Amino acid sequence: QVHLVESGGGVVQPGRSLRLSCAATGFTFSRFSMSWVRQAPGKGLEWVAIISYDGTTKNYADSVKGRLTISRDNSKNTLFLQMTSLRVEDSALYYCARLNGDYLDLWGPGTLVSVSS
Amino acid sequence: SYEVTQPLSVSVALGQTAKIICGGNNIGSKTVHWYQQKPGQAPILIIYRDNNRPSGIPERFSGSNSGNTATLTISSVQAGDEADYHCQAWDSTSLVVFGGGTKLTVL
Repeated sequence: QVHLVESGGGVVQPGRSLRLSCAATGFTFSRFSMSWVRQAPGKGLEWVAIISYDGTTKNYADSVKGRLTISRDNSKNTLFLQMTSLRVEDSALYYCARLNGDYLDLWGPGTLVSVSS
Repeated sequence: SYEVTQPLSVSVALGQTAKIICGGNNIGSKTVHWYQQKPGQAPILIIYRDNNRPSGIPERFSGSNSGNTATLTISSVQAGDEADYHCQAWDSTSLVVFGGGTKLTVL
C-alpha cells in the first residue's frame, strides 16, 4: 500500500531545533517531488517547502525561508525537514505530501510540533 | 504573492447541493485542486486540475473554474460530507497556494 508516515514532532523551546522525517512506502519515491505543509490548530493549510524528485531544487514559503530546510534521501525513501530557530508561530501539525505535477495527491497523518517556553 | 480566498463556512440541507467557492485574480487561468479534511484526519484530494476526480471519489463531487472563481459542487449532500474543504492553486511565483478552508455543515 501507498503510505507516508511522519515522525519527529514534539515540544521544543523557542530558538531550538527539531528534525522531522517522513517515510514513504508503496511507490517509487525517487520519481516524485515532495512537500511539507503545516496546519496550526484551528487554522487552514499553509504550504512550507517543496523539493524536486532528485533533491536539486528546493523552494520555501517566505515565512520559513532561512530557518527551515527540506531534504531527502532517496536511498532510504525518506523526506526531512530540519527546523532551526523555532518560533511560537511554527507550532502546527506538519504533513508531508507527494507532489504530482501541481497538486498533492498523497498525504501522511502528520506530526505535531509545539514551540513553547 | 498570489492569494485565494474561501468563505469560512457553508451550510446545506441533507440531500441538497452545496457549492463552495474559491476566489482569486484570474484564477481561471490556473489549475485548481480541492481537498477534503474531516476532523482529526489528514486532507485527501477530491478534485484535481479543476474538474477531475481521483479513483474512489464519488461522482457527487465535481469542480469548475472560470474567471475569478473556482467552484466545488457537492450534489445530494450526505451527513458524511461534513468536513473542511480546502482549495489550492499553483502559481509560478508563490507555488502552492491554499485558500483558508471552508467548513461545510450539513443541516
